[in-house]
Amino acid sequence: DAGVTQSPTHLIKTRGQHVTLRCSPISGHKSVSWYQQVLGQGPQFIFQYYEKEERGRGNFPDRFSARQFPNYSSELNVNALLLGDSALYLCASGWGSYEQYFGPGTRLTVT
Amino acid sequence: AQSVTQLDSQVPVFEEAPVELRCNYSSSVSVYLFWYVQYPNQGLQLLLKYLSGSTLVESINGFEAEFNKSQTSFHLRKPSVHISDTAEYFCAVSDSGGYQKVTFGTGTKLQVIP
Repeated sequence: DAGVTQSPTHLIKTRGQHVTLRCSPISGHKSVSWYQQVLGQGPQFIFQYYEKEERGRGNFPDRFSARQFPNYSSELNVNALLLGDSALYLCASGWGSYEQYFGPGTRLTVT
Repeated sequence: AQSVTQLDSQVPVFEEAPVELRCNYSSSVSVYLFWYVQYPNQGLQLLLKYLSGSTLVESINGFEAEFNKSQTSFHLRKPSVHISDTAEYFCAVSDSGGYQKVTFGTGTKLQVIP
């Protein structure tokens, strides 16, 4: 079975631009969570979606938004990019066992 | 609010020696506890988890962790490490009544020396 997939793998953007990151969960999983991992730190929770509804939001500015589609895939959008948004963005899926499966991540570099 | 403290940012250990990676957590509610491993340039892989029941949990590759509620700890141990265990290890906690939001520690880099 395919694991969690994320696209793109790497991305380079300029300050002020907008970016969209995509995630496909494991088949059957209805929950998707997004995390930001800055180099040298642990992942920080951004959003969780379950059955297309937002169920949790971390301490991130409104420039960050997300949505989940009927097929349970998800997008993370970041507007007005800052240098500090450079990080590995991780998506995780699960289905209620309180166990999450992480994708390989998208490495975002903002210049 | 929950928090996780991993006191050791780096742990060097010789191959075949035992290792313990320390993790303490803070929470006002019942929790689930996890250890994740991250190899260079990869995402996180679940190593083991404590949800309920036996306080000693084991992974398939020889790691074990013990949930100690009184000390709010969930230390990770392995009696004999291998070169392939070199990676970064993250302790994490989630609210047992929540929707899978996970709070991570800052990570411990395990360096196995040949």
